[in-house]
Amino acid sequence: EAQVTQNPRYLITVTGKKLTVTCSQNMNHEYMSWYRQDPGLGLRQIYYSMNVEVTDKGDVPEGYKVSRKEKRNFPLILESPSPNQTSLYFCASSFGGRQYEQYFGPGTRLTVT
Amino acid sequence: SQKIEQNSEALNIQEGKTATLTCNYTNYSPAYLQWYRQDPGRGPVFLLLIRENEKEKRKERLKVTFDTTLKQSLFHITASQPADSATYLCALDTGFRSGNKLVFGAGTILRVKS
Repeated sequence: EAQVTQNPRYLITVTGKKLTVTCSQNMNHEYMSWYRQDPGLGLRQIYYSMNVEVTDKGDVPEGYKVSRKEKRNFPLILESPSPNQTSLYFCASSFGGRQYEQYFGPGTRLTVT
Repeated sequence: SQKIEQNSEALNIQEGKTATLTCNYTNYSPAYLQWYRQDPGRGPVFLLLIRENEKEKRKERLKVTFDTTLKQSLFHITASQPADSATYLCALDTGFRSGNKLVFGAGTILRVKS
């Protein structure tokens, strides 16, 4: 089954404790991205990757890091999480970029206390 | 400033009627616009894409229009059903001058009552 998977689905952590949210897709998509979703603000892009070893900032990259060492994986790293990073995070992938339909993962709800 | 706006208030309609959702944008020149459906606790699911040179696109009970002069897209669901209840998101390509990004609206909640 074609899908985007994220882990963990739920995470509660404390300020400053480094964490990684994994994202994997099995569709051989070149384009992958991370979004955060907050009430009233919609989905905001954090980072995106056009291909392996190619990443670029989205609209809200501060406090986040990503890497794309393999085509299928695109982990999101929070080196020192803060409470304002409490949010619902979605990973997405697409065949060729933003102009194609995006396939979203199930989401990761992160709470930073 | 650049922004994309969807009805912030929920749309409540009766089963069988046509639901019409609006997506307005300012200061963008999108080459295309997409619509997604999002159910509570789930990731958005792609529905339709319409390009700037297309006035209308249809898929089963769904219809999307794109008016680049009015800077507006309308999303219609005909013969609506309770199962259509969800949040609907529009997303547009910001264009070269605005960083070539895909920007999402905050979404409109649709409730279809039987």
